[in-house]
Amino acid sequence: EAGVTQFPSHSVIEKGQTVTLRCDPISGHDNLYWYRRVMGKEIKFLLHFVKESKQDESGMPNNRFLAERTGGTYSTLKVQPAELEDSGVYFCASRSQGSGTDTQYFGPGTRLTVL
Amino acid sequence: QKEVEQDPGPLSVPEGAIVSLNCTYSNSAFQYFMWYRQYSRKGPELLMYTYSSGNKEDGRFTAQVDKSSKYISLFIRDSQPSDSATYLCAMPRGSTLGRLYFGRGTQLTVWP
Repeated sequence: EAGVTQFPSHSVIEKGQTVTLRCDPISGHDNLYWYRRVMGKEIKFLLHFVKESKQDESGMPNNRFLAERTGGTYSTLKVQPAELEDSGVYFCASRSQGSGTDTQYFGPGTRLTVL
Repeated sequence: QKEVEQDPGPLSVPEGAIVSLNCTYSNSAFQYFMWYRQYSRKGPELLMYTYSSGNKEDGRFTAQVDKSSKYISLFIRDSQPSDSATYLCAMPRGSTLGRLYFGRGTQLTVWP
């Protein structure tokens, strides 16, 4: 079974440009999460989808960030316009809706650098 | 105050050493406690998780939770160079379906 995949693995853009990150969760996982790690800091939650609905978006830093999950499959996270402080590693995770003992499976991350 | 505190290290030990990694947390609502391992340029992968207080052992790894002190530990026995990675503690508030709160991670190097 394929794990969580993310694309691209790296992105280097200039301040003011737009970047779109993509996450493909494990097949059948209704729950999809976005997290971000800024250099030197802990991994921080951004938002949580259940199927195509946003369950919790309290971690989104501002309205320059837009997440979508059309059809409840893959998700995209768009940053527009990008700022220097948006640099970091963006992780996606997915989880089944099953038992309470299940956990979140993480993708390899997208490393975003804003110059 | 951060929800989860973890000393980032780095920690460097010889092969065969016993390693102790620790986190403290501030919120009594945390019931599940997880340890993730992250190799360089990879995503975090779940290593162990425990529910409530007590110990849990899995091979060379032991996870320990002391809810009275809000303190969790991960012990690695007979450490190997392949254990070199960043170890992150994480916990959801309430259900395991919810967001995870992470510590900063401790970078461990085990040298041969």
